[in-house]
Amino acid sequence: EVQLVQSGAEVKKPGESLRISCKGSGYSFTSYWISWVRQMPGKGLEWMGRIDPSDSYTNYSPSFQGHVTISADKSISTAYLQWSSLKASDTAMYYCAYGSGSIDPWGQGTLVTVSS
Amino acid sequence: EIVLTQSPGTLSLSPGERATLSCRASQSVSSSYLAWYQQKPGQAPRLLIYGASSRATGIPDRFSGSGSGTDFTLTISRLEPEDFAVYYCQQYGSSFSLTFGGGTKVEIK
Repeated sequence: EVQLVQSGAEVKKPGESLRISCKGSGYSFTSYWISWVRQMPGKGLEWMGRIDPSDSYTNYSPSFQGHVTISADKSISTAYLQWSSLKASDTAMYYCAYGSGSIDPWGQGTLVTVSS
Repeated sequence: EIVLTQSPGTLSLSPGERATLSCRASQSVSSSYLAWYQQKPGQAPRLLIYGASSRATGIPDRFSGSGSGTDFTLTISRLEPEDFAVYYCQQYGSSFSLTFGGGTKVEIK
């Protein structure tokens, strides 16, 4: 069974850096892309970008290009989403999901709260 | 970037009724690369339909998808209590970018 387990909730201050993780199991991690999706409080789903763990090739939504970095460490079957300088507007639930087209299953989500 | 517009924003129905949700694309979605997801409060989304009309594993047959080009529909033939949720369409026909619609909330009337 394909399973994605994400790291726990984070509370950060504006300007701080952050990396959250998504560990895959139950399949060959390098065989399928991982996508990241943002959901701001009370809002809809926004696709952020995706990574091919076999070679770390990425592509990003134009809305997120330059604001976040997606990476992966195939030796530990883990994908990452990171920020170098958080803003209050980054407060959201972040999901990783299996695949690059229709995406499923999804991780349980990581809640990121950015507040001074 | 392909923009997806879902309507209505909210659908108020009773259990047992039929739900018809619309998703319209700003340009043609190639090869019907259109998916539907269900999200319940406090949960991650779940894939219902892919390829515009194929049900994902374990999805009941009361859920069906149809359409092509720029107009797509998700139909729930008879609403069960567990079907009241938010539904999103998503296109993956564009090589380098996926997009979601804004969502339709199906609420109990």
